[in-house]
Amino acid sequence: AQTVTQSQPEMSVQEAETVTLSCTYDTSESDYYLFWYKQPPSRQMILVIRQEAYKQQNATENRFSVNFQKAAKSFSLKISDSQLGDAAMYFCAYRSPGNNDMRFGAGTRLTVKP
Amino acid sequence: DTGVSQNPRHKITKRGQNVTFRCDPISEHNRLYWYRQTLGQGPEFLTYFQNEAQLEKSRLLSDRFSAERPKGSFSTLEIQRTEQGDSAMYLCASSDPLFPEQYFGPGTRLTVT
Repeated sequence: AQTVTQSQPEMSVQEAETVTLSCTYDTSESDYYLFWYKQPPSRQMILVIRQEAYKQQNATENRFSVNFQKAAKSFSLKISDSQLGDAAMYFCAYRSPGNNDMRFGAGTRLTVKP
Repeated sequence: DTGVSQNPRHKITKRGQNVTFRCDPISEHNRLYWYRQTLGQGPEFLTYFQNEAQLEKSRLLSDRFSAERPKGSFSTLEIQRTEQGDSAMYLCASSDPLFPEQYFGPGTRLTVT
């Protein structure tokens, strides 16, 4: 079964600085999708970024980018120019094309200091 | 597009009572999912609908849980004879079959006393 591990329960970053959140996963599949979701204190999960395993190019969405290392089964999220509104729980998630459920990590709580 | 909505947002019930939650997905999404999230954990998959058909159920979904999506639009999740261990956030998500990402609602927080 696929598992997702986020080894950093909490992280903090100074406003305007850069922070990287780590995620590793375990799978025997070659084709899959990886996601980062943000869950602010209001608790609604918001999609931050998506990566297809067959794509070598790392996904980027404005200040958010990923470092996808397929061989190492690593999928880290880099947040540049951190803003106070980035403070939230961040979840890494895995989905294989043949399954309908997403597997989530335990999350990383990000604090942004002004 | 109003996003995924869930009602109620909070529910407090006594052990042994039945509760029902509702989810309204994004209108053009024919896939709907239920997840459970306990404090300090990521969401765990419960069940999946494609249109009105319930196609997948997790082992987490005991026989006290039942989910329906009668007309392929909104869905309900019922928990019978609630137990304290059922206290959690229940999340609903929907997706377009052409894309792998799921869009989540705000959740229903259940507290069983």
